[in-house]
Amino acid sequence: GAVVSQHPSRVICKSGTSVKIECRSLDFQATTMFWYRQFPKQSLMLMATSNEGSKATYEQGVEKDKFLINHASLTLSTLTVTSAHPEDSSFYICSATRAGGYEQFFGPGTRLTVL
Amino acid sequence: EDQVTQSPEALRLQEGESSSLNCSYTVSGLRGLFWYRQDPGKGPEFLFTLYSAGEEKEKERLKATLTKKESFLHITAPKPEDSATYLCAVRSSGGSNYKLTFGKGTLLTVNP
Repeated sequence: GAVVSQHPSRVICKSGTSVKIECRSLDFQATTMFWYRQFPKQSLMLMATSNEGSKATYEQGVEKDKFLINHASLTLSTLTVTSAHPEDSSFYICSATRAGGYEQFFGPGTRLTVL
Repeated sequence: EDQVTQSPEALRLQEGESSSLNCSYTVSGLRGLFWYRQDPGKGPEFLFTLYSAGEEKEKERLKATLTKKESFLHITAPKPEDSATYLCAVRSSGGSNYKLTFGKGTLLTVNP
């Protein structure tokens, strides 16, 4: 158990467009979901933490108006990159925790390329 | 501020050559140390959680140990399929309840 999926796995878009990434917990209810970004040969950087039905908590330096997070249900969270620019190109990964647990289970990641 | 330092940055082994990866941490009250494996272009895969000094966990060729200042991931008789980046992360009593702080990882390459 503890499978997390992401869609799409890869997206290429033009500068100025918005991109939505979905994160789903397939076989458990996720009390908390996380969004990370990872640059080549760098560690995972937490962007925000979200709980179902409440506003996301963003890390310092992350623009909440640019990276919109919606945690609509216990199995789905979405990240929308608004007005994407080339510097937003990165590997975005979501994770989720089960009720009563602290282990984070990660999705396969989404490679975003902004031209 | 929580800090996690992993060493070495990269490690190249021959198949069957055992070794260890190190994760040193500084936290304000450890609430868990986590090991993950990450393959290129994929999300991290959960391996172990350790909570207190002296604790050990094993899975196939991997064994994780924990002291008050560091954790080791021992790899016994590795195979080429063990090649990956191994990430260490900590959860502390300071800050957000669920936040993990990750190290930069150790890139392990096992040659046949």
